[in-house]
Amino acid sequence: DVKVTQSSRYLVKRTGEKVFLECVQDMDHENMFWYRQDPGLGLRLIYFSYDVKMKEKGDIPEGYSVSREKKERFSLILESASTNQTSMYLCASSLPLTGSSYNSPLHFGNGTRLTVT
Amino acid sequence: DAKTTQPNSMESNEEEPVHLPCNHSTISGTDYIHWYRQLPSQGPEYVIHGLTSNVNNRMASLAIAEDRKSSTLILHRATLRDAAVYYCILGLMDSNYQLIWGAGTKLIIKP
Repeated sequence: DVKVTQSSRYLVKRTGEKVFLECVQDMDHENMFWYRQDPGLGLRLIYFSYDVKMKEKGDIPEGYSVSREKKERFSLILESASTNQTSMYLCASSLPLTGSSYNSPLHFGNGTRLTVT
Repeated sequence: DAKTTQPNSMESNEEEPVHLPCNHSTISGTDYIHWYRQLPSQGPEYVIHGLTSNVNNRMASLAIAEDRKSSTLILHRATLRDAAVYYCILGLMDSNYQLIWGAGTKLIIKP
């Protein structure tokens, strides 16, 4: 089974801090994603990456950046954390969503609940 | 914008079938319909997906209306472990990476 591991389950940070959320997958998937999940809003895509060092903005990239130096690892960075970034952050991975694997399922980690005070 | 509409919550009895509805009236001809579920304190997990024909797998069945403006996820015999939030999602063909998530249906299973 695919395993997507997020480094922290809970995180509390102060406003203005630089925050790193780490995600590792063990299935050699090309695609990796960062979502945030808020009550009533469902999942919203922040960034995704389709290859090492490649990234694309999702729906809500403002205030975030990402890094993918190795295929198995995808990091989400909050440059200067703010209280409106308090949320559940979910990482996912998948095969390339093109060609015959277009509808490959996303495999999610269990999330990091970030609180910014 | 492509969008799905689901009831906020549903209740069902254990060991009975469950039909979870989803409306997607703005679906385009090439958009796939995906279902994921999220158990408490876990990330979402894939359940099933389809385009036009009904689909079955070991977890569930997906019934898609002929006009594709609605679909129904069917759990044939719900157990307490099926209590979760179920998301009906459109997979947009014109964008490799776009799954449009709705707010989901919270399924409550009564013993």
